[in-house]
Amino acid sequence: KAGVTQTPRYLIKTRGQQVTLSCSPISGHRSVSWYQQTPGQGLQFLFEYFSETQRNKGNFPGRFSGRQFSNSRSEMNVSTLELGDSALYLCASSLGSSLYGYTFGSGTRLTVV
Amino acid sequence: QKEVEQDPGPLSVPEGAIVSLNCTYSNSAFQYFMWYRQYSRKGPELLMYTYSSGNKEDGRFTAQVDKSSKYISLFIRDSQPSDSATYLCAMSRTGNQFYFGTGTSLTVIP
Repeated sequence: KAGVTQTPRYLIKTRGQQVTLSCSPISGHRSVSWYQQTPGQGLQFLFEYFSETQRNKGNFPGRFSGRQFSNSRSEMNVSTLELGDSALYLCASSLGSSLYGYTFGSGTRLTVV
Repeated sequence: QKEVEQDPGPLSVPEGAIVSLNCTYSNSAFQYFMWYRQYSRKGPELLMYTYSSGNKEDGRFTAQVDKSSKYISLFIRDSQPSDSATYLCAMSRTGNQFYFGTGTSLTVIP
């Protein structure tokens, strides 16, 4: 059974650019959540999508957005990149609710220079 | 004040030792508690899940939740070098948005 797949694994962008990250959840999983992981703050919740609808949103600025497609695949977009956006972005999927835990992907390491 | 506090370590123990990892939290509404393990360059993987207060055991791992003290623990018995990783606690009020600790780095020395 394939796990959660995130692409690309590594990304280097320049300040002011925008970036799109992709996540393919485990087959049959309909909920996709995104987290930002940094050494100082740990994992911070960005948003959760379920059946193409954003169900929950964390405290990130509007530059961070996402969407989910009918096949449950999800994308996350960050516009007008800042140096502080450098982080590991993790996608996690679950069947319908994350009550019993997430399955995480290996993440996309974004570096903003 | 952060929602979840976790001692970052690092923690270094000899093989076979009992390891105790802890988190404290401020939101008394949290009722779903989890522990994840994260190896270098990998995403976190779920180790233990508990609901509300109490203990849960799974092999060498025991998770404890004390809601009255807002304190959760993970115990690892007979620690192995393969347990060397970062351990993250996570908790939620609703089960749909989790708050994570910053992680404790553990090294088990053979």
